[in-house]
Amino acid sequence: QVQLQESGPGLVKPSETLSLTCTVSGGSISSGSYSWSWIRQPAGKGLEWIGRIYTSGSTKYNPPLRGRVTISVDTSKNQFSLKLNSVTAADTAMYYCARDVTYYDILTGYGPYYFMDVWGKGTTVTVSS
Amino acid sequence: SSELTQDPAVSVALGQTVRITCQGDSLRSSYANWYQQKPGQAPVLVMYGKNHRPSGIPDRFSGSSSGDTASLTITGAQAEDEADYYCNSRDSSGSWVFGGGTKLTVL
Repeated sequence: QVQLQESGPGLVKPSETLSLTCTVSGGSISSGSYSWSWIRQPAGKGLEWIGRIYTSGSTKYNPPLRGRVTISVDTSKNQFSLKLNSVTAADTAMYYCARDVTYYDILTGYGPYYFMDVWGKGTTVTVSS
Repeated sequence: SSELTQDPAVSVALGQTVRITCQGDSLRSSYANWYQQKPGQAPVLVMYGKNHRPSGIPDRFSGSSSGDTASLTITGAQAEDEADYYCNSRDSSGSWVFGGGTKLTVL
């Protein structure tokens, strides 16, 4: 049973860099048709996708955040990480990591299906001086 | 940018059927997924692709789609189904897009 766990500072000063790590346990980060995403959710608001990384190292970022976001992977540690620079109060949120699946239904021939099937519990990050 | 639109709030009487909808251009070419989020918890995948339920999700949950609209139906809603529900899909560039969420109240 794959599990994800976010970790990192809960408080970041404005204009500094937010850094979080997601540790994957119960399976290899490199196995299967998976990529790995970061999502955030301000208190009382909806979900916002930040970006994704493939185990090849290639990345895809949400366009509004693209200039400030870097996602990296360390397969030797079974971890992937998020860096968001020049943070403001608007970046205060719960941050989640999740496993991105690409699935082909062999029985029916339908697909590919894309979904996020495993999520971490989330970590709260507050941007404040 | 791609958007997915959901009704902000829906209510259903205990044991009755409720449909939660999600509308957006990306749904014409990409399947919708549905996530359930209870207060203080991470989202949980309850439906993906062409009406597929992950293991452990009750069969009272079902999904459908037509054109640019996807729906999540709960047949015989239970008190424990009260939660926020989010749809998402991939847009043409491969980015994930989320709907704004629907707060389901079970009366």
